[in-house]
Amino acid sequence: QKEVEQDPGPLSVPEGAIVSLNCTYSNSAFQYFMWYRQYSRKGPELLMYTYSSGNKEDGSFTAQVDKSSKYISLFIRDSQPSDSATYLCAMSAYLTGADGLTFGKGTHLIIQP
Amino acid sequence: GAGVSQSPSNKVTEKGKDVELRCDPISGHTALYWYRQSLGQGLEFLIYFQGNSAPDKSGLPSDRFSAERTGGSVSTLTIQRTQQEDSAVYLCASSPDSLNTEAFFGQGTRLTVV
Repeated sequence: QKEVEQDPGPLSVPEGAIVSLNCTYSNSAFQYFMWYRQYSRKGPELLMYTYSSGNKEDGSFTAQVDKSSKYISLFIRDSQPSDSATYLCAMSAYLTGADGLTFGKGTHLIIQP
Repeated sequence: GAGVSQSPSNKVTEKGKDVELRCDPISGHTALYWYRQSLGQGLEFLIYFQGNSAPDKSGLPSDRFSAERTGGSVSTLTIQRTQQEDSAVYLCASSPDSLNTEAFFGQGTRLTVV
């Protein structure tokens, strides 16, 4: 079992839909959860991070963490074709340090105009 | 520059040759990370630098891989005697104060070994 599982998709939804992207993980030590967006042939772009359980909202993005279920989500409201990209979840047990981030494989999202 | 800069963007090399990949982090960021992204795989953590020091090199895939950082800034990842399985996108990230929640990535170097 991989430490972080993420459905690779593709996930195709119509413009304006609410998108739900999810990751599950097995390491209960993870406390910091990040979402990245990666366009084709570009580097990952940090969208937001959440600490421990709870919700966090930033613009059209909402991140949710449920540590009891080891399940995290990213919601995109009023999705636009420009949101079409691969979305990567990443996590870490520590705020700082040498272990780097553990990533999911990414979900390929397509927003249809 | 404003972001993490990596060069070259693309590199095609023959099997058995050595390659050197460069990363120029965001100014003032003390931490620097190298990752590898293979087709269909997630990002694989390779190595972390705090300043010029890499406390743990166990994430490097083999002894053909080495990395250094000088002046607390530019880093190079060197792959000796390249193999076809080394083909991947090599990504560099930097963060202030080694914050895992603020790691910013470059655009990557796409390495193809033929």
